[in-house]
Amino acid sequence: EPEVTQTPSHQVTQMGQEVILRCVPISNHLYFYWYRQILGQKVEFLVSFYNNEISEKSEIFDDQFSVERPDGSNFTLKIRSTKLEDSAMYFCASRWDRTNTGELFFGEGSRLTVL
Amino acid sequence: DAKTTQPPSMDCAEGRAANLPCNHSTISGNEYVYWYRQIHSQGPQYIIHGLKNNETNEMASLIITEDRKSSTLILPHATLRDTAVYYCIVRVGGNAGNMLTFGGGTRLMVKP
Repeated sequence: EPEVTQTPSHQVTQMGQEVILRCVPISNHLYFYWYRQILGQKVEFLVSFYNNEISEKSEIFDDQFSVERPDGSNFTLKIRSTKLEDSAMYFCASRWDRTNTGELFFGEGSRLTVL
Repeated sequence: DAKTTQPPSMDCAEGRAANLPCNHSTISGNEYVYWYRQIHSQGPQYIIHGLKNNETNEMASLIITEDRKSSTLILPHATLRDTAVYYCIVRVGGNAGNMLTFGGGTRLMVKP
């Protein structure tokens, strides 16, 4: 069964460093998302991406964050200068359908630890 | 998107049906009801969704009341592997970027 894959599974970084989290969505999907979950808290929406541009973003997704689909298969989330509060599990998701009623497929997540 | 209310936790005996309720009294006519679950710290997993009619798939059944103000997710024969947090989410369709808003969900504990 096709799946969304994410790398790395766990990354430890120093505060102020740049981090790139990578995702390979399911190949025929059209819509891409990043969510995050701070330990013990709710899953929070960060950004959605469609047709090579951001279609929606939350208040969390400030200027420190950026997304890119550099080569038609990868979908990346970059955090320019990490803060302690960026420590979380980051989930990538994708969806195929144009009706926007279908399900999101989530990856297993990338755990980011900022020291 | 409409807000949902779910009990924070429920227990279910293994092999029994698990019935997870959700209230969404402010749901609009064009909002769908979705159920996802999250096992431990894994990525959320889609279970089922519906608009008005009851739905069934290989994982679960979704019963939506006639006034659409509440719904119930039914896992017909719960197993230990169904222990997870279950999220009921209502969402408008037809918008390219529309995201899911996760609440606290119901933590279902399936016990032997």
